[in-house]
Amino acid sequence: NAGVTQTPKFQVLKTGQSMTLQCAQDMNHNSMYWYRQDPGMGLRLIYYSASEGTTDKGEVPNGYNVSRLNKREFSLRLESAAPSQTSVYFCASTMGGTVGTQYFGPGTRLLVL
Amino acid sequence: SQQGEEDPQALSIQEGENATMNCSYKTSINNLQWYRQNSGRGLVHLILIRSNEREKHSGRLRVTLDTSKKSSSLLITASRAADTASYFCATTYGQNFVFGPGTRLSVLP
Repeated sequence: NAGVTQTPKFQVLKTGQSMTLQCAQDMNHNSMYWYRQDPGMGLRLIYYSASEGTTDKGEVPNGYNVSRLNKREFSLRLESAAPSQTSVYFCASTMGGTVGTQYFGPGTRLLVL
Repeated sequence: SQQGEEDPQALSIQEGENATMNCSYKTSINNLQWYRQNSGRGLVHLILIRSNEREKHSGRLRVTLDTSKKSSSLLITASRAADTASYFCATTYGQNFVFGPGTRLSVLP
């Protein structure tokens, strides 16, 4: 039981390049989330998926897109990376919405030059 | 503006002392959760307290919730060097969680 996994762990991009961050959970959770964390700050929600087949914008969705590929997987795509997207990205999941606790992945460190 | 906000921003104590950090929020909630983050790692859930609960314990952790004041506190008793981490409260807002900026706790040996 791996919990929530994220790939890659670290990535360097040049401005304008694109990439997809992958997230998978093996806990049969319904809800999945993408956050970004900037130095000395809490987490800010980018997008979430309350259940398979649905996605919604969070607090800071500009410059990102998501895909809920199936119940297990939720990917985050940067179409044209910008230096302002340099951050640590965390994926999380819950059994169902905000009733339960969130389980977090280890994070992806992204540096955009 | 943030739904939840921790206080203090940073706290430094000696091993064996108790550490108290507070969280204030703005709107009604279903539950409030506390998480810990070790440097460079993902967040780990510590404890959840529901809106109809006033106090909850888990090992060396004690959480209180005052819905009339829209505040919560996390007490870590008999702190250890291994408790050094950032601590975040998360409140519910619609279908989502909202995290505060966190309290950085340093426990000195």
